Amino acid sequence: QLVLTQSPSASASLGASVKLTCTLSSGHSSYAIAWHQQQPEKGPRYLMKLNSDGSHSKGDGIPDRFSGSSSGAERYLTISSLQSEDEADYYCQTWGTGIKVFGGGTKLTVL
Amino acid sequence: QVQLVQSGAEVKKPGASVKVSCKASGYTFTSYDINWVRQATGQGLEWMGWMNPNSGNTGYAQKFQGRVTMTRNTSISTAYMELSSLRSEDTAVYYCARASGGPFDYWGQGTLVTVSS
Repeated sequence: QLVLTQSPSASASLGASVKLTCTLSSGHSSYAIAWHQQQPEKGPRYLMKLNSDGSHSKGDGIPDRFSGSSSGAERYLTISSLQSEDEADYYCQTWGTGIKVFGGGTKLTVL
Repeated sequence: QVQLVQSGAEVKKPGASVKVSCKASGYTFTSYDINWVRQATGQGLEWMGWMNPNSGNTGYAQKFQGRVTMTRNTSISTAYMELSSLRSEDTAVYYCARASGGPFDYWGQGTLVTVSS
């Protein structure tokens, strides 16, 4: 079964960096994912597609502070030079034959 | 620029149906699937299904099979999602999203559907 697992929460200081993790279920370590950001009271926004080899392609207007990487079944989103507007929920998403799956989301607090 | 503009908020009684629209602009409507995702207050994102606007083919999440119908009108570049037999647990914000292969690369602004007697 295709499942994505995310930690419920993370925190980091203003100006620092943070690395969020999304883990693919067993047998699905080759899958690509997408990262989405949802700021408070707003709809989701596409950040990037992240492949199993770590290559990624970002959405329109996404700053260079956002980057992705991969290791095995884990997919990472790194945000550097944290700003207050980065405080948001971050969701990973993947897809299989006829299905789409979301992780439970990580709530990022910027201290 | 790519835009997905959804219809306004709805209030429905239990047992009724709701139909939400999603008007696409800035790209060729028939070239990308449209997916529907919902989010209850304080909860995560839940995928409901997809539709190919070119063929009209659809695929629904098992949870919604038999209750959801996704359609389109290509002449006005608009996709629709109809959910029937509404219950209070269906109260949520409903989003349409364009799928570029796998990733959802553009999202609508969301439509709040409230189910209340």
